[in-house]
Amino acid sequence: SQKIEQNSEALNIQEGKTATLTCNYTNYSPAYLQWYRQDPGRGPVFLLLIRENEKEKRKERLKVTFDTTLKQSLFHITASQPADSATYLCALDIGNYGQNFVFGPGTRLSVLP
Amino acid sequence: NAGVTQTPKFRVLKTGQSMTLLCAQDMNHEYMYWYRQDPGMGLRLIHYSVGEGTTAKGEVPDGYNVSRLKKQNFLLGLESAAPSQTSVYFCASTPRGASNQPQHFGDGTRLSIL
Repeated sequence: SQKIEQNSEALNIQEGKTATLTCNYTNYSPAYLQWYRQDPGRGPVFLLLIRENEKEKRKERLKVTFDTTLKQSLFHITASQPADSATYLCALDIGNYGQNFVFGPGTRLSVLP
Repeated sequence: NAGVTQTPKFRVLKTGQSMTLLCAQDMNHEYMYWYRQDPGMGLRLIHYSVGEGTTAKGEVPDGYNVSRLKKQNFLLGLESAAPSQTSVYFCASTPRGASNQPQHFGDGTRLSIL
């Protein structure tokens, strides 16, 4: 059964717009949530991590929020560019000891010029 | 630094054949992981290791064995390959065991079982 859900399999947006990706989880109380980027034929690459007591985390054009009440994280890319086209994965450690990371299925983002 | 290197990159096997996938990391990381990635399923943990000489089962360990004889290497073995094991296999490592440790991934081994 799916332990983490990501809002959609694919998302198309116009260049310059803000992309918003959703990650929902159930039955866990993670201390951290991570976001990764994966390009075709490559392994995932770590982007951002947010703690349970952080409401928001930013890195350049990326912003992540974490709502432990809703059990949801939102990942935003502002001023999106075609180079942002990739699959984005969320992940959390359900054991909280770095031994059992669970990944969402990913959302494939396409930024159209 | 090469990071995490996986070999081979591609392989085609016949049902019943065996093979070993190699993962090597040069970052002196303690923890290493093997995942498989299937369409729509996300990455699923097969086995992991918390240090040299130790291994443990993940979510989908059946049909696989692992060994970590040296800290920098983590081997994944398929003793008798089955078509259901057709997948892309990723190795990852983290400096230590903690939820806030980013995982460093290799670029995967694409395995087809006929």
